[in-house]
Amino acid sequence: GQNIDQPTEMTATEGAIVQINCTYQTSGFNGLFWYQQHAGEAPTFLSYNVLDGLEEKGRFSSFLSRSKGYSYLLLKELQMKDSASYLCAVRVKANQAGTALIFGKGTTLSVSS
Amino acid sequence: DTAVSQTPKYLVTQMGNDKSIKCEQNLGHDTMYWYKQDSKKFLKIMFSYNNKELIINETVPNRFSPKSPDKAHLNLHINSLELGDSAVYFCASSRTGAAKNIQYFGAGTRLSVL
Repeated sequence: GQNIDQPTEMTATEGAIVQINCTYQTSGFNGLFWYQQHAGEAPTFLSYNVLDGLEEKGRFSSFLSRSKGYSYLLLKELQMKDSASYLCAVRVKANQAGTALIFGKGTTLSVSS
Repeated sequence: DTAVSQTPKYLVTQMGNDKSIKCEQNLGHDTMYWYKQDSKKFLKIMFSYNNKELIINETVPNRFSPKSPDKAHLNLHINSLELGDSAVYFCASSRTGAAKNIQYFGAGTRLSVL
């Protein structure tokens, strides 16, 4: 089966750093994505890892270890607007014709002043 | 210049009714998807179409029937709506063969079945 685990909720304060972990056990692996979803809105793409290591993009970084089935999203200099759900998703081969994203249940991050 | 647009944004209906949700993308993508996000915010793939061909069909009741008239459109028709169908339905699109093949999501359709 496909299983992606991430913490349900996290809290942090403005200006802090937070790390959201994601572990996965999937049949196949074709890349790992992080999406941000504000309440009542669409998920928006944050980052993509397909090789081991760290990808940095401004205040956000994402790390992948394929051998450990592990990723994290690091958010620096937290702002109130970073309060949202963060979804970890693994792309797997669904069948001969295409791939699919398998999502974790999301981590709700609350940033306070 | 919305990239992936869905209509309607809200849909409230009675059990047993039939309803449709429309999705259009202007990104020139060749693959489109339907996802269901339940009350616990769990986002799950339902269908995927590539160049109007169905390529992914997860274990979804056959009351749900997707239709793709062309690459830019993927509609979802639901027959005999049930209470458990209440959820947010997201459409997404991507370009096969692109380096990251990122999926871009529409704003969602909030379906409430009474």
